Amino acid sequence: QKEVEQDPGPLSVPEGAIVSLNCTYSNSAFQYFMWYRQYSRKGPELLMYTYSSGNKEDGRFTAQVDKSSKYISLFIRDSQPSDSATYLCAMLRWVGGSEKLVFGKGTKLTVNP
Amino acid sequence: GAVVSQHPSWVICKSGTSVKIECRSLDFQATTMFWYRQFPKQSLMLMATSNEGSKATYEQGVEKDKFLINHASLTLSTLTVTSAHPEDSSFYICSAPVGGTDTQYFGPGTRLTVL
Repeated sequence: QKEVEQDPGPLSVPEGAIVSLNCTYSNSAFQYFMWYRQYSRKGPELLMYTYSSGNKEDGRFTAQVDKSSKYISLFIRDSQPSDSATYLCAMLRWVGGSEKLVFGKGTKLTVNP
Repeated sequence: GAVVSQHPSWVICKSGTSVKIECRSLDFQATTMFWYRQFPKQSLMLMATSNEGSKATYEQGVEKDKFLINHASLTLSTLTVTSAHPEDSSFYICSAPVGGTDTQYFGPGTRLTVL
């Protein structure tokens, strides 16, 4: 079983739709949870970062963490064509005093105008 | 947010040659930097942790003699792919955590194509 599971999609939605992206994980040692957005042939860009169960909102983006279910989500409201990208969940734990970030495979999102 | 740069952005080389990729933190100091590799339609896989002033820590399965890492200063880490082969063709991305936080900021990546 992989440490982090993410449905690669692809996911295609009309402009204005609410998008829901999800990841599950198996390792309880993960303490920090991130969502990155990656455009084609570019490095990942940090979108959201949280460390506790519950919701965190930033503009049109809401990150949700449920540690009891080992499940995290990213919601995008009023989606725009510019949101079209691959969204990667990432989780951080420490190994021997050094931090290690483990990524999901990424979900490719297309928002159609 | 913090800025991390990489150079070059794209490199094509012949099989058997060595390629050096630079990773710089532009507006902050980074005692630690991370090197990732990403194959098409795959996720980022951590290759190694670069530590300023000490040896890099490599992930299991990554050849330290093939992927040489040098953390020359608090703002620069280099990854040298020695005797590159076509199977080394990939997207190499570095990241650095901003001091006092646990968030990593990523560089724009370097696309390596080995012919």
